[in-house]
Amino acid sequence: AQKVTQAQTEISVVEKEDVTLDCVYETRDTTYYLFWYKQPPSGELVFLIRRNSFDEQNEISGRYSWNFQKSTSSFNFTITASQVVDSAVYFCALSAFPNAGKSTFGDGTTLTVKP
Amino acid sequence: SAVISQKPSRDICQRGTSLTIQCQVDSQVTMMFWYRQQPGQSLTLIATANQGSEATYESGFVIDKFPISRPNLTFSTLTVSNMSPEDSSIYLCSVGATGRTEAFFGQGTRLTVV
Repeated sequence: AQKVTQAQTEISVVEKEDVTLDCVYETRDTTYYLFWYKQPPSGELVFLIRRNSFDEQNEISGRYSWNFQKSTSSFNFTITASQVVDSAVYFCALSAFPNAGKSTFGDGTTLTVKP
Repeated sequence: SAVISQKPSRDICQRGTSLTIQCQVDSQVTMMFWYRQQPGQSLTLIATANQGSEATYESGFVIDKFPISRPNLTFSTLTVSNMSPEDSSIYLCSVGATGRTEAFFGQGTRLTVV
Protein backbone atom coordinates (compact mmCIF):
# COMPACT_ATOMS: atom_id res chain seq x y z
CA ALA A 1 0.00 0.00 0.00
CA GLN A 2 1.10 3.52 -0.65
CA LYS A 3 1.16 6.28 1.91
CA VAL A 4 2.13 9.94 1.83
CA THR A 5 2.72 11.89 5.02
CA GLN A 6 2.81 15.64 5.23
CA ALA A 7 3.46 16.19 8.91
CA GLN A 8 3.03 19.96 8.76
CA THR A 9 -0.67 20.77 8.79
CA GLU A 10 -0.25 24.54 8.74
CA ILE A 11 2.70 26.85 8.28
CA SER A 12 2.68 30.61 8.64
CA VAL A 13 5.56 32.79 7.50
CA VAL A 14 6.19 36.42 6.81
CA GLU A 15 6.75 37.51 3.26
CA LYS A 16 10.32 37.01 1.97
CA GLU A 17 11.03 34.21 4.38
CA ASP A 18 12.08 30.84 3.02
CA VAL A 19 9.83 27.91 3.83
CA THR A 20 10.19 24.15 3.40
CA LEU A 21 7.27 21.78 3.12
CA ASP A 22 8.02 18.22 4.11
CA CYS A 23 6.80 15.07 2.39
CA VAL A 24 7.59 11.50 3.38
CA TYR A 25 6.24 8.55 1.43
CA GLU A 26 5.92 4.80 1.64
CA THR A 27 5.64 2.44 -1.28
CA ARG A 28 6.63 -1.08 -2.25
CA ASP A 29 6.87 -0.16 -5.89
CA THR A 30 10.35 0.09 -7.34
CA THR A 31 9.29 2.63 -9.96
CA TYR A 32 6.98 5.46 -9.05
CA TYR A 33 6.23 9.14 -9.48
CA LEU A 34 6.16 11.91 -6.92
CA PHE A 35 4.24 15.13 -7.39
CA TRP A 36 3.64 18.45 -5.75
CA TYR A 37 0.41 20.34 -6.37
CA LYS A 38 -0.80 23.73 -5.26
CA GLN A 39 -4.44 24.36 -4.46
CA PRO A 40 -5.29 28.04 -4.08
CA PRO A 41 -8.56 29.13 -2.46
CA SER A 42 -10.31 28.92 -5.82
CA GLY A 43 -10.02 25.14 -5.57
CA GLU A 44 -8.29 24.07 -8.75
CA LEU A 45 -5.28 21.80 -8.49
CA VAL A 46 -2.16 23.31 -10.00
CA PHE A 47 0.60 20.93 -11.02
CA LEU A 48 4.03 22.06 -9.79
CA ILE A 49 6.44 19.20 -10.38
CA ARG A 50 6.77 15.51 -11.12
CA ARG A 51 9.78 13.44 -10.17
CA ASN A 52 10.53 9.88 -11.29
CA SER A 53 11.83 7.47 -8.68
CA PHE A 54 14.92 6.72 -10.72
CA ASP A 55 15.87 10.38 -11.01
CA GLU A 56 17.15 11.77 -7.73
CA GLN A 57 18.43 14.96 -9.24
CA ASN A 58 17.14 17.97 -7.36
CA GLU A 59 15.36 20.66 -9.27
CA ILE A 60 15.03 24.40 -9.09
CA SER A 61 12.40 26.45 -10.85
CA GLY A 62 12.52 30.10 -10.02
CA ARG A 63 11.77 30.47 -6.33
CA TYR A 64 10.80 26.80 -6.03
CA SER A 65 13.16 23.93 -5.37
CA TRP A 66 12.66 20.29 -4.62
CA ASN A 67 14.88 17.86 -2.73
CA PHE A 68 14.28 14.19 -3.47
CA GLN A 69 16.08 11.70 -1.24
CA LYS A 70 15.23 8.12 -1.94
CA SER A 71 17.28 6.91 1.03
CA THR A 72 14.92 8.67 3.42
CA SER A 73 11.80 8.43 1.22
CA SER A 74 11.40 12.16 1.26
CA PHE A 75 10.49 14.73 -1.35
CA ASN A 76 10.64 18.15 0.24
CA PHE A 77 9.60 21.42 -1.35
CA THR A 78 11.22 24.77 -0.59
CA ILE A 79 9.89 28.20 -1.51
CA THR A 80 12.54 30.89 -1.39
CA ALA A 81 11.59 34.48 -0.62
CA SER A 82 7.94 33.62 -0.14
CA GLN A 83 5.21 35.90 -1.41
CA VAL A 84 1.60 36.43 -0.37
CA VAL A 85 0.49 34.76 -3.61
CA ASP A 86 2.15 31.56 -2.42
CA SER A 87 -0.58 31.19 0.21
CA ALA A 88 -2.39 27.96 -0.62
CA VAL A 89 -2.72 24.32 0.31
CA TYR A 90 0.14 22.23 -1.02
CA PHE A 91 -0.24 18.53 -1.65
CA CYS A 92 2.41 15.91 -2.13
CA ALA A 93 1.29 12.85 -4.09
CA LEU A 94 2.63 9.47 -5.11
CA SER A 95 1.65 7.18 -7.95
CA ALA A 96 2.91 3.88 -9.21
CA PHE A 97 4.37 3.54 -12.66
CA PRO A 98 2.88 3.71 -15.23
CA ASN A 99 -0.41 5.26 -14.09
CA ALA A 100 0.60 8.80 -13.24
CA GLY A 101 -3.01 9.90 -12.89
CA LYS A 102 -3.83 7.43 -10.12
CA SER A 103 -2.29 9.00 -7.08
CA THR A 104 -2.22 8.77 -3.32
CA PHE A 105 -2.25 12.21 -1.76
CA GLY A 106 -0.91 13.49 1.50
CA ASP A 107 -3.20 15.46 3.78
CA GLY A 108 -1.81 18.74 2.56
CA THR A 109 0.00 21.64 4.16
CA THR A 110 -1.73 24.99 4.41
CA LEU A 111 0.79 27.74 3.84
CA THR A 112 -0.05 31.28 4.85
CA VAL A 113 2.31 34.02 3.83
CA LYS A 114 1.69 37.26 5.66
CA PRO A 115 2.69 40.63 4.24
CA SER B 1 -0.51 18.88 -21.94
CA ALA B 2 -4.13 17.81 -21.79
CA VAL B 3 -6.92 20.31 -21.30
CA ILE B 4 -9.70 19.00 -19.10
CA SER B 5 -13.12 20.60 -18.84
CA GLN B 6 -15.46 19.72 -16.03
CA LYS B 7 -19.12 20.64 -15.85
CA PRO B 8 -20.71 21.99 -13.78
CA SER B 9 -18.08 23.97 -11.93
CA ARG B 10 -20.35 24.19 -8.92
CA ASP B 11 -23.86 23.26 -7.89
CA ILE B 12 -26.18 23.35 -4.93
CA CYS B 13 -28.48 20.33 -4.77
CA GLN B 14 -31.30 19.08 -2.62
CA ARG B 15 -30.74 15.96 -0.57
CA GLY B 16 -32.10 12.83 -2.17
CA THR B 17 -31.43 14.01 -5.72
CA SER B 18 -28.61 13.02 -8.08
CA LEU B 19 -26.03 15.06 -9.96
CA THR B 20 -24.02 14.02 -12.99
CA ILE B 21 -20.60 15.59 -13.47
CA GLN B 22 -19.01 15.60 -16.89
CA CYS B 23 -15.33 15.44 -17.74
CA GLN B 24 -14.19 16.22 -21.28
CA VAL B 25 -10.57 15.95 -22.43
CA ASP B 26 -9.19 17.58 -25.54
CA SER B 27 -7.26 14.47 -26.57
CA GLN B 28 -7.62 10.73 -26.26
CA VAL B 29 -6.35 9.38 -22.96
CA THR B 30 -6.02 5.86 -21.72
CA MET B 31 -6.82 6.46 -18.10
CA MET B 32 -9.40 8.66 -16.41
CA PHE B 33 -9.89 8.91 -12.68
CA TRP B 34 -12.37 10.49 -10.33
CA TYR B 35 -11.40 11.97 -6.97
CA ARG B 36 -13.32 13.43 -4.06
CA GLN B 37 -12.08 16.15 -1.77
CA GLN B 38 -14.23 16.65 1.29
CA PRO B 39 -14.08 20.05 3.00
CA GLY B 40 -10.68 20.65 4.53
CA GLN B 41 -9.49 17.20 3.51
CA SER B 42 -7.13 15.68 1.01
CA LEU B 43 -8.04 14.05 -2.27
CA THR B 44 -9.32 10.50 -2.24
CA LEU B 45 -9.55 8.33 -5.32
CA ILE B 46 -13.10 7.18 -6.01
CA ALA B 47 -12.58 5.04 -9.09
CA THR B 48 -10.82 4.47 -12.36
CA ALA B 49 -13.07 5.01 -15.35
CA ASN B 50 -12.38 2.29 -17.89
CA GLN B 51 -13.34 2.73 -21.50
CA GLY B 52 -15.66 -0.02 -22.65
CA SER B 53 -15.96 -1.73 -19.29
CA GLU B 54 -17.17 -1.12 -15.77
CA ALA B 55 -15.30 1.32 -13.59
CA THR B 56 -12.91 0.04 -10.93
CA TYR B 57 -13.88 1.36 -7.52
CA GLU B 58 -11.64 1.96 -4.54
CA SER B 59 -12.45 0.64 -1.12
CA GLY B 60 -15.35 2.51 0.42
CA PHE B 61 -16.92 3.56 -2.86
CA VAL B 62 -19.66 1.63 -4.66
CA ILE B 63 -21.22 1.76 -8.07
CA ASP B 64 -24.75 2.32 -6.78
CA LYS B 65 -23.69 5.54 -5.10
CA PHE B 66 -21.18 6.74 -7.73
CA PRO B 67 -22.06 5.30 -11.13
CA ILE B 68 -19.46 6.16 -13.76
CA SER B 69 -19.62 6.08 -17.53
CA ARG B 70 -16.74 6.15 -20.02
CA PRO B 71 -18.21 5.92 -23.51
CA ASN B 72 -15.00 6.90 -25.31
CA LEU B 73 -11.39 7.95 -24.77
CA THR B 74 -12.16 11.63 -24.26
CA PHE B 75 -15.22 11.70 -22.02
CA SER B 76 -16.45 10.41 -18.68
CA THR B 77 -19.25 11.13 -16.24
CA LEU B 78 -19.58 10.64 -12.52
CA THR B 79 -23.02 10.61 -10.92
CA VAL B 80 -23.47 11.27 -7.23
CA SER B 81 -26.70 9.49 -6.38
CA ASN B 82 -29.24 10.01 -3.63
CA MET B 83 -27.18 12.84 -2.22
CA SER B 84 -26.87 13.74 1.42
CA PRO B 85 -25.05 16.69 3.04
CA GLU B 86 -22.07 14.37 3.59
CA ASP B 87 -21.57 14.29 -0.18
CA SER B 88 -20.74 17.99 -0.19
CA SER B 89 -17.25 18.00 -1.66
CA ILE B 90 -15.12 18.98 -4.59
CA TYR B 91 -15.12 16.26 -7.23
CA LEU B 92 -12.15 16.20 -9.60
CA CYS B 93 -11.47 14.38 -12.81
CA SER B 94 -7.91 13.36 -13.60
CA VAL B 95 -6.33 11.86 -16.68
CA GLY B 96 -3.17 9.94 -17.39
CA ALA B 97 -1.82 7.65 -20.02
CA THR B 98 0.00 4.38 -19.68
CA GLY B 99 3.70 4.99 -20.02
CA ARG B 100 3.33 8.72 -19.87
CA THR B 101 4.32 10.70 -16.85
CA GLU B 102 1.89 13.54 -16.96
CA ALA B 103 -1.11 13.76 -14.70
CA PHE B 104 -3.68 16.45 -15.22
CA PHE B 105 -6.69 17.54 -13.23
CA GLY B 106 -9.87 19.28 -14.17
CA GLN B 107 -10.83 22.43 -12.34
CA GLY B 108 -13.19 20.48 -10.10
CA THR B 109 -16.91 20.53 -9.35
CA ARG B 110 -17.81 22.10 -6.04
CA LEU B 111 -20.95 20.36 -4.80
CA THR B 112 -23.06 21.52 -1.89
CA VAL B 113 -25.95 19.37 -0.73
CA VAL B 114 -28.62 21.07 1.37
